[in-house]
Amino acid sequence: LAKTTQPISMDSYEGQEVNITCSHNNIATNDYITWYQQFPSQGPRFIIQGYKTKVTNEVASLFIPADRKSSTLSLPRVSLSDTAVYYCLAAGRRALTFGSGTRLQVQP
Amino acid sequence: GAVVSQHPSRVICKSGTSVKIECRSLDFQATTMFWYRQFPKQSLMLMATSNEGSKATYEQGVEKDKFLINHASLTLSTLTVTSAHPEDSSFYICSAPRGASGSYNEQFFGPGTRLTVL
Repeated sequence: LAKTTQPISMDSYEGQEVNITCSHNNIATNDYITWYQQFPSQGPRFIIQGYKTKVTNEVASLFIPADRKSSTLSLPRVSLSDTAVYYCLAAGRRALTFGSGTRLQVQP
Repeated sequence: GAVVSQHPSRVICKSGTSVKIECRSLDFQATTMFWYRQFPKQSLMLMATSNEGSKATYEQGVEKDKFLINHASLTLSTLTVTSAHPEDSSFYICSAPRGASGSYNEQFFGPGTRLTVL
């Protein structure tokens, strides 16, 4: 089971780019790396997923080095509404195991 | 994207009563669903895996007789908290994977159910 490690919290200001790095040293060959966002009293919301290299969608980018032992979620130009907890997961054919997540606080 | 719903969104009950929470996949079929519990300021903790047509599998430390799971159809799983006590007060979230059989990479989460036991 690939355990993930993320910073507990991060602070940023509106308009800045935020990069959250996650380590998953024991990631399995079949595991994908997925990031979720969670607001208080809501279920997690899928942000982005990747296997290797770089993935980009309309809300974020995900950078995964060749060894896949870490990944970085990049949020461009964050706004106040991006204040949330972000979870990094490495999982494949099994239930998702959530780590502690990173609590991002965006200030004006 | 795929939608997973939960009902009710919040429930308040008296100690000793039972509460049923429904999880539905609205636009896809899910042979497997997952139930999580989340306490304030904490991460999601997997409670059990709900399997359509067979018994649920529970994580270590989760009492199967207290948290009854029934996966009645390919779009519905229910979690019943029996004889609820104040310590069962929590945020319960379900998820359902969509994709190739056995692939849990693409999971969709319900909005959660806030249970308060008085």
